[in-house]
Amino acid sequence: AQKVTQAQTEISVVEKEDVTLDCVYETRDTTYYLFWYKQPPSGELVFLIRRNSFDEQNEISGRYSWNFQKSTSSFNFTITASQVVDSAVYFCALSPQGAQKLVFGQGTRLTINP
Amino acid sequence: ETGVTQTPRHLVMGMTNKKSLKCEQHLGHNAMYWYKQSAKKPLELMFVYNFKEQTENNSVPSRFSPECPNSSHLFLHLHTLQPEDSALYLCASSRETGDSGNTIYFGEGSWLTVV
Repeated sequence: AQKVTQAQTEISVVEKEDVTLDCVYETRDTTYYLFWYKQPPSGELVFLIRRNSFDEQNEISGRYSWNFQKSTSSFNFTITASQVVDSAVYFCALSPQGAQKLVFGQGTRLTINP
Repeated sequence: ETGVTQTPRHLVMGMTNKKSLKCEQHLGHNAMYWYKQSAKKPLELMFVYNFKEQTENNSVPSRFSPECPNSSHLFLHLHTLQPEDSALYLCASSRETGDSGNTIYFGEGSWLTVV
């Protein structure tokens, strides 16, 4: 069975702090994809990143970075120098091999206080 | 501007009403999805269409009836709903369903309240 766990339900930090959102997944498939989405209060899920299970290189995009570690089945997301606009619910998701059915974690509500 | 647009953004309906949610994607995709997001549960996949054919019905009650007339449009017809059906309904699309690596893009959602 596929499962995604985001143990942090809510995180609150002060602006400019760095914050890491944890994501742990379970799958028996050898090929899979991992995703992060951002959901601001408006409701839309905004795609942030997709990572193939064979690509364990870390990725950086501006203030965002992702750390994929297959050995610990984790795909963590770090925001550096957080800003108020980063406040949102963040979802980690897993797409199993051969199927287009994302399995979502419960989400982490991130609040950045000025 | 999002590539997936949903209307209406907000809907309040009585339990005996019949209404529809509409979704349109401008991304040239061939797969479309309905998801439900409620306060008490994580995102739930409801229906999947691939090249206009329904490929997934995730045990959704018959009071929800999807329609996909073409690859760009998706509807969710609602009738005789219950208050517990109040939720955010998200439409999404992707190139197709066969490759798990295809990114799914979401619309802004329709906030539904059943009174």
